[in-house]
Amino acid sequence: GGIITQTPKFLIGQEGQKLTLKCQQNFNHDTMYWYRQDSGKGLRLIYYSITENDLQKGDLSEGYDASREKKSSFSLTVTSAQKNEMAVFLCASSRDWGENTLYFGAGTRLSVL
Amino acid sequence: GEKVEQHESTLSVREGDSAVINCTYTDTASSYFPWYKQEAGKSLHFVIDIRSNVDRKQSQRLTVLLDKKAKRFSLHITATQPEDSAIYFCAASNSNNRIFFGDGTQLVVKP
Repeated sequence: GGIITQTPKFLIGQEGQKLTLKCQQNFNHDTMYWYRQDSGKGLRLIYYSITENDLQKGDLSEGYDASREKKSSFSLTVTSAQKNEMAVFLCASSRDWGENTLYFGAGTRLSVL
Repeated sequence: GEKVEQHESTLSVREGDSAVINCTYTDTASSYFPWYKQEAGKSLHFVIDIRSNVDRKQSQRLTVLLDKKAKRFSLHITATQPEDSAIYFCAASNSNNRIFFGDGTQLVVKP
């Protein structure tokens, strides 16, 4: 089996700050994703990367940047943290774009003061 | 794009009873319907899925039913146990392989 590691687990930022979340997977999966989970809501796709040199915007990409540094890592940047923002950011991977089963990391919980 | 709705935001059952979680989708081209479980304080993990070439799939105490005409699918859990308590997310994947999630159903299994 494999594992997806997200760092940090908790992130506290200031309004306007640029914040970076990191994700590593050792499944050797081609495709990686960043989702945002708000309380009581489903998952909304922020960015995804089909293969190592690919980057695609999801439904919620405004205010975020992403980078697929190598096959095993995918990072997400909040370009300007919004005051009182609270959400959980989930990283996931799948074997490839056609294989739909997603494997999720434990999440990064963001709070903005 | 696809929109997935989960009809029950919370569901409470007694241990040993059955639980049913219902979802609808909008895109007739959607062909893959996975379910994910999120236990308290943990991340999501895959539990079961169904593809549009069948209308029923069972795995131990879990059964998924798919009604393509009504664009409806459901997760049935029999003989519920306390460890079944979690948030369950249904999802649908369209022809572009994008996966769209419902808002989740909190299942509480009471002893």
